[in-house]
Amino acid sequence: GNSVTQMEGPVTLSEEAFLTINCTYTATGYPSLFWYVQYPGEGLQLLLKATKADDKGSNKGFEATYRKETTSFHLEKGSVQVSDSAVYFCALKVLDAGGTSYGKLTFGQGTILTVHP
Amino acid sequence: SAVISQKPSRDICQRGTSLTIQCQVDSQVTMMFWYRQQPGQSLTLIATANQGSEATYESGFVIDKFPISRPNLTFSTLTVSNMSPEDSSIYLCSVRGQGFYGYTFGSGTRLTVV
Repeated sequence: GNSVTQMEGPVTLSEEAFLTINCTYTATGYPSLFWYVQYPGEGLQLLLKATKADDKGSNKGFEATYRKETTSFHLEKGSVQVSDSAVYFCALKVLDAGGTSYGKLTFGQGTILTVHP
Repeated sequence: SAVISQKPSRDICQRGTSLTIQCQVDSQVTMMFWYRQQPGQSLTLIATANQGSEATYESGFVIDKFPISRPNLTFSTLTVSNMSPEDSSIYLCSVRGQGFYGYTFGSGTRLTVV
C-alpha cells in the first residue's frame, strides 16, 4: 500500500535558523509528492509539489527534491521566520500504470513547527 | 484554484445528536473529498463524493455514520450521525478542480462532542 512517514515533531527553531523536515514514502505505481501547510485556524494549503524523480518543488523559500532512490521528499528552508510557524504535511498521490488516478491523497502525520523570534 | 466555503467553522454538540457540515465551491468540480483530522493526527480520507452517484467510503467509515450528499457540482454535505466524544475532530472538505493537481481544502469544521 501507500504510506508517508514524517519526522516526529514538534520542531522548535529560532528565527533565521535552517529547517529540515524529513519525509519518506512507500508507494505502488508512480507517485507525485506534495507538501501542505496548515497555519493556525486555517485549512490546508499546497506549499509545493514534485511530479517525477529529481524534480525540485519550491515556494516561499521552501524547497523539496523528489529522490526516487531514497524514496524521500525532505522539506528545507534556509532561514525560517516566525510566520512559518504551522503544521506541515507531506503527502503523495499515485497514478496507475495507465496514467490515471483515483484522486486520493495519502498524508503523513504532520510536523508542528514553532519559530521563536 | 477553487475557493471553498465550509461551515460551520466550529461547533460543540451533545452526544447522540447529528451535525451536518456544508461545503460550497465557487466553481464546478468533479471530485469532492471529505477528510477527518483527529487531535494531533494526520488527515484520514472518509469518502469521495461524485455528483450523481453514491459516495465511496474508505475502510473504517460507513454511510450510516457519515452520510454524504452531492446534489450538484458545487456543493456537498457530510453528516456526522449519533455523535460520541470520539468523533471530536476537524472535518475538512477538499476538491479536485481544474488540472490534475488542483486540490484545494476548506478551512475545516472543528467539532467537539460533549
